[in-house]
Amino acid sequence: DVQMTQSPSSLSASVGDRVTITCRASQSIRGYLNWYKQKPGMAPKLLIYAASSLQNGVPSRFSGSGSGTDFALTISSLQPEDFATYYCQQSYSTPWTFGQGTKVEIK
Amino acid sequence: EVQLVESGGGLIQPGESLRLSCAASGFTVTDNYMSWVRQAPGRGLEWVSVIYSGGSTYYADSVKGRFTVSRDNSKNMLWLQMNSLRAEDTAVYYCARVAIASAGLYYFDYWGQGTLVTVSS
Repeated sequence: DVQMTQSPSSLSASVGDRVTITCRASQSIRGYLNWYKQKPGMAPKLLIYAASSLQNGVPSRFSGSGSGTDFALTISSLQPEDFATYYCQQSYSTPWTFGQGTKVEIK
Repeated sequence: EVQLVESGGGLIQPGESLRLSCAASGFTVTDNYMSWVRQAPGRGLEWVSVIYSGGSTYYADSVKGRFTVSRDNSKNMLWLQMNSLRAEDTAVYYCARVAIASAGLYYFDYWGQGTLVTVSS
């Protein structure tokens, strides 16, 4: 199984900050990496697919990068609605696996 | 508008069975890949199963042999039959549509609101 490891597990940041979350796969997954955002009590929401493609309707302050084993999600200017937990997920091989999540909290 | 609505969750005793339903609208279930993803209380997301448009199914090792995913063409619904339930199956279960960007490149583009399954005596 492909293991996905996110870092950090949590971070504190202020509105307007630039935030980067990283995701490392235990083997190469090419560009088969997606990012989701989840707020408490809500279903996850797709942000980025195929490592760097922005889902329709997602603000352009979100961007994704990487390939192979190392990936990143960047929020260029953190907004109040961005405080949430973020997950990466690989679709290179079943079982499809998620990272453990990164909780972004208000400083 | 694409919509997914899960139902069927509840409190159930260890060893018993439960069937979850996911009613889809705005698209045809059988034309798409469909998945179940779960989230234990306070924990992260765990992929459970997928059914391809051609009917092939795949499962996480943690549920293989106990859970079965299926779909109903006429009702446009997805099901998850869960047998021999364990305490560690306690979670919110989401159904999700799987979009295909290219061969092998899949992502969950629409999610239901989830249904809570609690396995406890």
